[in-house]
Amino acid sequence: QKEVEQDPGPLSVPEGAIVSLNCTYSNSAFQYFMWYRQYSRKGPELLMYTYSSGNKEDGRFTAQVDKSSKYISLFIRDSQPSDSATYLCAMRSTGRRALTFGSGTRLQVQP
Amino acid sequence: DTAVSQTPKYLVTQMGNDKSIKCEQNLGHDTMYWYKQDSKKFLKIMFSYNNKELIINETVPNRFSPKSPDKAHLNLHINSLELGDSAVYFCASSQGRGGAGGELFFGEGSRLTVL
Repeated sequence: QKEVEQDPGPLSVPEGAIVSLNCTYSNSAFQYFMWYRQYSRKGPELLMYTYSSGNKEDGRFTAQVDKSSKYISLFIRDSQPSDSATYLCAMRSTGRRALTFGSGTRLQVQP
Repeated sequence: DTAVSQTPKYLVTQMGNDKSIKCEQNLGHDTMYWYKQDSKKFLKIMFSYNNKELIINETVPNRFSPKSPDKAHLNLHINSLELGDSAVYFCASSQGRGGAGGELFFGEGSRLTVL
């Protein structure tokens, strides 16, 4: 079983929809949680960063962390075709910078 | 100015050959990484260097040898290439070895195809 599980999708939604992306994990030492966005043939770019449990909002994006359930989510409001990409959750413990990634969810927003 | 740059972007080679990928970062970070992304988009850490010191060495065949001549550069040399080595290799950098902040910045990847 992988340390971080993520549904690979693809997830197809119409423009303007609310998108919910999720990951579960097994390592209780993880304290830092991130979402990366990866466009086709590009490197991952950091989208959201959260420490421990709680919510964080940045524009149309909201990240949620529930450490008791070992579950993290990313919500995208008013989704746009430009949001079409693969979304990777990533996490790490306090002791090291290297991230453990989920396998990514491919999102397609239809105009 | 590109923050983390890798060369080459594409590499097509025969089984059994030896090849190298180079990475440079101009962010002033002290920690650099090699990640491998397979065909299913799964990103897995291979190596990490902090100030030229190897700090992470995951279960990777000995045919893979990283080298960090200084904290701004990290190279990856692969000997005796196998079909299963075909993947996209990403270089990344960050500031610090742990603790808060200093998240990873990735290059655009080097797509290796072994025939």
